[in-house]
Amino acid sequence: KAGVTQTPRYLIKTRGQQVTLSCSPISGHRSVSWYQQTPGQGLQFLFEYFSETQRNKGNFPGRFSGRQFSNSRSEMNVSTLELGDSALYLCASSVVETYLGTDTQYFGPGTRLTVL
Amino acid sequence: QQQVKQSPQSLIVQKGGISIINCAYENTAFDYFPWYQQFPGKGPALLIAIRPDVSEKKEGRFTISFNKSAKQFSLHIMDSQPGDSATYFCASMDSNYQLIWGAGTKLIIKP
Repeated sequence: KAGVTQTPRYLIKTRGQQVTLSCSPISGHRSVSWYQQTPGQGLQFLFEYFSETQRNKGNFPGRFSGRQFSNSRSEMNVSTLELGDSALYLCASSVVETYLGTDTQYFGPGTRLTVL
Repeated sequence: QQQVKQSPQSLIVQKGGISIINCAYENTAFDYFPWYQQFPGKGPALLIAIRPDVSEKKEGRFTISFNKSAKQFSLHIMDSQPGDSATYFCASMDSNYQLIWGAGTKLIIKP
């Protein structure tokens, strides 16, 4: 099976602009989560989508939004970019692993966003 | 907000030695504790995870253990190799069954 894919891999934007990141989950996975990763803050949860509905949301401002399509592909949007939004944005798709009894997350390679 | 405290922040181990990373959690909705390994330029990859009904799990050189009364879990890497050099993340589940992540441990194995 193909892994989680994210596009684009690298982005450079300027303050005030907006950006859309895309994530294609592993085939058959219906849940997609988004994370922001920065050197000092580790992995910060943004939101999770399941069957086109936002199921969980982290503590990020409303400038960060997302959606999921019927084919489980997901997009994340950041409006009015700030310098502090520079980070690696990771997408993870998940499926219930029977032997663990819960979802297991599989990460994509991430999109490196640089805000100038 | 719930936290997972991961230590140490960085670790240098000689080749062949034992690498030990510890995590402490506050509360968890479900006894599921995964460890992820991340190489530079890559997304985190699931390394090993422990299920609710066991206190220890071993896969090759990697062992995770879980102490419910102390609310702690740890990763041991035996016979550490240069290829194990990476950043390791632990996680636990909060009351919303959402993963809460440790800050990461940068492991360097010296040849």
